Amino acid sequence: DAKTTQPTSMDCAEGRAANLPCNHSTISGNEYVYWYRQIHSQGPQYIIHGLKNNETNEMASLIITEDRKSSTLILPHATLRDTAVYYCIVRPRGGGADGLTFGKGTHLIIQP
Amino acid sequence: NAGVTQTPKFRVLKTGQSMTLLCAQDMNHEYMYWYRQDPGMGLRLIHYSVGEGTTAKGEVPDGYNVSRLKKQNFLLGLESAAPSQTSVYFCASSYEGELFFGSGTQLSVL
Repeated sequence: DAKTTQPTSMDCAEGRAANLPCNHSTISGNEYVYWYRQIHSQGPQYIIHGLKNNETNEMASLIITEDRKSSTLILPHATLRDTAVYYCIVRPRGGGADGLTFGKGTHLIIQP
Repeated sequence: NAGVTQTPKFRVLKTGQSMTLLCAQDMNHEYMYWYRQDPGMGLRLIHYSVGEGTTAKGEVPDGYNVSRLKKQNFLLGLESAAPSQTSVYFCASSYEGELFFGSGTQLSVL
């Protein structure tokens, strides 16, 4: 079973910030939070990951609470092309099979 | 640098037929994975490999076999296809936890 809980769907107006929450209350000390998105029927695409500090890259920002039990992915200026299913997973940084279950994610719909 | 390439992209099988899906990666990654995704569902792990010559079962391995004879290739086989195996199949490889996915194979079993 996935170790994370996400809302099924969210709407956001184009040009506004999209804030996608994820609960991971059972996260272990060596597990990172990873975010991916899947546009239409394409393969999932990596967005960002973090351990305990907030992270930012050209695509998004990741805010992780101090107790690490939840996080928020922020798309600062959402566009129509950001409409996708967003997955939050927690797993160790290594390459094994831990944490590789993707739940149903959050279907983010950007409204014009 | 093509990343992760899956072939074929589409396939229609009759019940009982066999086929092999090929996944190739050119990033020299040790870890490779096969997932299936059914409509409205997340991705479920079928089998995975942590290196050349090694494979392991994931969440939903029944009805599938895999082989990793070369580091760059990970094959997924269906020996006797069933309608329940109609799905979209994704291959991925990983480096330091980050997964790189192929574009998927849409398989229909009639």
